[in-house]
Amino acid sequence: GQSLEQPSEVTAVEGAIVQINCTYQTSGFYGLSWYQQHDGGAPTFLSYNGLDGLEETGRFSSFLSRSDSYGYLLLQELQMKDSASYFCAVREGQGFQKLVFGTGTRLLVSP
Amino acid sequence: DSGVTQTPKHLITATGQRVTLRCSPRSGDLSVYWYQQSLDQGLQFLIQYYNGEERAKGNILERFSAQQFPDLHSELNLSSLELGDSALYFCASSVAGASNTGELFFGEGSRLTVL
Repeated sequence: GQSLEQPSEVTAVEGAIVQINCTYQTSGFYGLSWYQQHDGGAPTFLSYNGLDGLEETGRFSSFLSRSDSYGYLLLQELQMKDSASYFCAVREGQGFQKLVFGTGTRLLVSP
Repeated sequence: DSGVTQTPKHLITATGQRVTLRCSPRSGDLSVYWYQQSLDQGLQFLIQYYNGEERAKGNILERFSAQQFPDLHSELNLSSLELGDSALYFCASSVAGASNTGELFFGEGSRLTVL
């Protein structure tokens, strides 16, 4: 089976930097994605790591270490609008890979 | 706007009933995925179709079924509904299988309430 673990909640203030960790156990692994979901909204894609290392997209960066089955999402210069839930997801399975999501981390950004 | 359309947006029904949720993928996307999200829970993968064929199955109950039609739209059928089936049901699409970047495009969801 698969399991992805994330902290349930993280709090931070505007302008700060926050890191959301994700550890995974899966029978097959083809990459780690991150999604953002505002309350009542649809999940939206943020970033993807297929290989080890850091990927940067604006204020957001994502890191992957396949040997440690670990990744993280780094959010810099936090803004109030970043308050949302963040999900890591593992792309697994050969051929038509499916995306299995973690339980999500709720980020609360305060003034 | 992701380009994925789901209907209905909201649905209230009684236990024991049957409902059908509909999804139209983005233009050009061949894969459709269904996910269930209960209150304050993660996204539970239900099932995936590619170009009309079932390709992957997750924790989908036997009371639930789905299909993808030749025009690529998909329907998720939920029958003998129970209170615990109340959830937000998301449809997502991608060109192929989870794409090379793990990017899926999600619809706004169908919120099902079973009373």
